[in-house]
Amino acid sequence: DAMVIQNPRYQVTQFGKPVTLSCSQTLNHNVMYWYQQKSSQAPKLLFHYYDKDFNNEADTPDNFQSRRPNTSFCFLDIRSPGLGDAAMYLCATSRVSQRGSSYNEQFFGPGTRLTVL
Amino acid sequence: AQSVTQLGSHVSVSEGALVLLRCNYSSSVPPYLFWYVQYPNQGLQLLLKYTTGATLVKGINGFEAEFKKSETSFHLTKPSAHMSDAAEYFCAVSSHYTGTASKLTFGTGTRLQVTL
Repeated sequence: DAMVIQNPRYQVTQFGKPVTLSCSQTLNHNVMYWYQQKSSQAPKLLFHYYDKDFNNEADTPDNFQSRRPNTSFCFLDIRSPGLGDAAMYLCATSRVSQRGSSYNEQFFGPGTRLTVL
Repeated sequence: AQSVTQLGSHVSVSEGALVLLRCNYSSSVPPYLFWYVQYPNQGLQLLLKYTTGATLVKGINGFEAEFKKSETSFHLTKPSAHMSDAAEYFCAVSSHYTGTASKLTFGTGTRLQVTL
């Protein structure tokens, strides 16, 4: 089945120790998103890639970076995790078409729960 | 700018009772509206969406929602709650233009509890 996969599902890191979260997709979608969801809050968009074009949200801290080496994979790098970065990180994908409907549905992965000690 | 307001952070219903989760939106362009469900430690699953056409949309698991432009609302309903419906529900509005990536703005969520 086509899907969005996130690894690992649970990640524990130490304060200040860089960490990388992984997302892969078999949907062949050209857009990949990263969201941060803190406990009992709504998901908050950090950034997205449209093909190779990186689009950062204005209020995303510099501590958060992303890489998309190919269509299928996208990584979220947290350079120096703080206690406030503990959250669920959700990856999503969508397909943008230049023709037809302007709407493109987002498909979410199961998330990675990050704990910072 | 777009925004979503979900009234009631917690809703409790008895099994078999009507489920009503409220969502109001604000959008400067015709909105695309969504309801997602999230079970503990899992990602978001799309329940239903309104894009164009019929204002009453049916989704999975017996849920439906009605887009009411005059009330700027998109409330989620289910005639008879089941224990398995206990989860967090998010209403979202999409900003998008042809050929660009959609962006979702989420409400703060409503936790649905179903009791025996």
